[in-house]
Amino acid sequence: QKEVEQDPGPLSVPEGAIVSLNCTYSNSAFQYFMWYRQYSRKGPELLMYTYSSGNKEDGRFTAQVDKSSKYISLFIRDSQPSDSATYLCATANQAGTALIFGKGTTLSVSS
Amino acid sequence: GAVVSQHPSWVICKSGTSVKIECRSLDFQATTMFWYRQFPKQSLMLMATSNEGSKATYEQGVEKDKFLINHASLTLSTLTVTSAHPEDSSFYICSADGYYGYTFGSGTRLTVV
Repeated sequence: QKEVEQDPGPLSVPEGAIVSLNCTYSNSAFQYFMWYRQYSRKGPELLMYTYSSGNKEDGRFTAQVDKSSKYISLFIRDSQPSDSATYLCATANQAGTALIFGKGTTLSVSS
Repeated sequence: GAVVSQHPSWVICKSGTSVKIECRSLDFQATTMFWYRQFPKQSLMLMATSNEGSKATYEQGVEKDKFLINHASLTLSTLTVTSAHPEDSSFYICSADGYYGYTFGSGTRLTVV
């Protein structure tokens, strides 16, 4: 079993839809949870960062972490064509250690 | 905000030659830098972790003699792919851990012909 599982998609939605992206992880020691957005042939860009369980909201983006079920989610409200990218979840058990990434979900938002 | 500059953004080289990729933290000091490799439609796979002034720690299955990492200062780490072969063609990305957390470079697309 991989440490971080993520459905690669692709996921296609119309503009304005609510998008739900999810990952599961196996190591209960993970404490830091992040979501990155990656455009083609570019480096990942940090979207959301959460420590331990809980919700975090930033504009149209909401990140949720449920450590009891080892489940992390990213919600995108009022999705835009510019949101079309690959979304990667990532975790770490300590600050300063390497991130472990999910496979990434490719999202396409059509206008 | 934190910026990590990675160069070159793309490179094509002949089989058997060596290629050096630079990763610089422009506005912060990075005690630790990470090197990842990403194949098409795959996730980022950690290759090695480097700390300034010490030898890099390589992940299992990564040849340390082939992928030379130097972290000579708090703002610069380099990855040299020695005697490159077509199977080394990939997207290489660095990440620096500093005051602002993890910041990624823009990646280097290496094509070995």
